[in-house]
Amino acid sequence: DTAVSQTPKYLVTQMGNDKSIKCEQNLGHDTMYWYKQDSKKFLKIMFSYNNKELIINETVPNRFSPKSPDKAHLNLHINSLELGDSAVYFCASSRAGANEQFFGPGTRLTVL
Amino acid sequence: AQSVTQLDSQVPVFEEAPVELRCNYSSSVSVYLFWYVQYPNQGLQLLLKYLSGSTLVKGINGFEAEFNKSQTSFHLRKPSVHISDTAEYFCAVSGQGGKLIFGQGTELSVKP
Repeated sequence: DTAVSQTPKYLVTQMGNDKSIKCEQNLGHDTMYWYKQDSKKFLKIMFSYNNKELIINETVPNRFSPKSPDKAHLNLHINSLELGDSAVYFCASSRAGANEQFFGPGTRLTVL
Repeated sequence: AQSVTQLDSQVPVFEEAPVELRCNYSSSVSVYLFWYVQYPNQGLQLLLKYLSGSTLVKGINGFEAEFNKSQTSFHLRKPSVHISDTAEYFCAVSGQGGKLIFGQGTELSVKP
């Protein structure tokens, strides 16, 4: 059973398009996160949700909009995609108050 | 503000040799530290964590790390590496809201 899953695994699209990445966790965790890994493999937090409420928003352009329909899902919608958005996006989850995070397999986004 | 510095971007080593991957952190609050491993084209997997208690932490795959408060370090060690240990290794500290703040990563390359 996959603990944290993401779809799609690969996403290739043109500049200016709008796209979504979905994340689901079956661990019963309360908190979910989105991280961005750039071409130099540097990982940085983007958002965090706890029980469907936004907790962290790390100076991410407002073209990025996370949505949490329930505590098992955290989707990432990106409007007007730019070349600089090309990266690998990782979803993660953790229990409330815990520090260990479980990561999904990543979504490699390529903007042409 | 919290930060993590991984002192080596690349560490080449021969199979069965010992290895140490260095990590220094900066934090003004209680420290929770982690090492994650990322195999090629995969997500992040937790190797080990320090939350409290014994400063010597043992993890999976024969890895261990030592928390040194006076030197603000959390170096990762393995006495004998295998080809399969070739991967990117990330040190991280838990920050405000539970987000993980990552170092720049260390590429461990194990040669036969």
